[in-house]
Amino acid sequence: KAGVTQTPRYLIKTRGQQVTLSCSPISGHRSVSWYQQTPGQGLQFLFEYFSETQRNKGNFPGRFSGRQFSNSRSEMNVSTLELGDSALYLCASSVRGQGVPNYGYTFGSGTRLTVV
Amino acid sequence: DAKTTQPTSMDCAEGRAANLPCNHSTISGNEYVYWYRQIHSQGPQYIIHGLKNNETNEMASLIITEDRKSSTLILPHATLRDTAVYYCIVRGMPNTGTASKLTFGTGTRLQVTL
Repeated sequence: KAGVTQTPRYLIKTRGQQVTLSCSPISGHRSVSWYQQTPGQGLQFLFEYFSETQRNKGNFPGRFSGRQFSNSRSEMNVSTLELGDSALYLCASSVRGQGVPNYGYTFGSGTRLTVV
Repeated sequence: DAKTTQPTSMDCAEGRAANLPCNHSTISGNEYVYWYRQIHSQGPQYIIHGLKNNETNEMASLIITEDRKSSTLILPHATLRDTAVYYCIVRGMPNTGTASKLTFGTGTRLQVTL
């Protein structure tokens, strides 16, 4: 079956702009999590959505937001981009909340965002 | 989530077993140990997880010490394609708030050589 799909694969934006990234989870998965990966901070959890509701949130400013649609697809938005937002943004889907006790996460290949 | 400590890097000859250690001395009784790996420019890939018993799957084996304060991931016959950063993660009880995020450390960069 198809894996986690993230679009676009690469993106270049200018400081001050806003950006929207998209993630389509594995079919049947209702949980989508987002992570930011930078050389300095490593992989950091942004937030998780399940059944269109944010269930968990990391320590990121309010400029980072997300949402999930009824088909489980998710988008994350970063407003007023800063140079430090340049990173690989990863999305992961899981069967959390669907009766599987030790669910794992399947990650997409990520969107590489460069802010100039 | 409990903190994990891993060596920064390790080398392994192709065909030999790669043993990647992880220290998680503050792990609590209901926390699981998970291993993921990340090959360059790809998203992390799940490898294996365990609570207290040793576990084995088609990718690797996980050995957890009796006191659960450390574990070792074993790749029995490493290949060049196993070159990656390996992350040991301690994760809360399933279906709880703390289980729904993965706290990644710096991981171990495994280099498999000919």
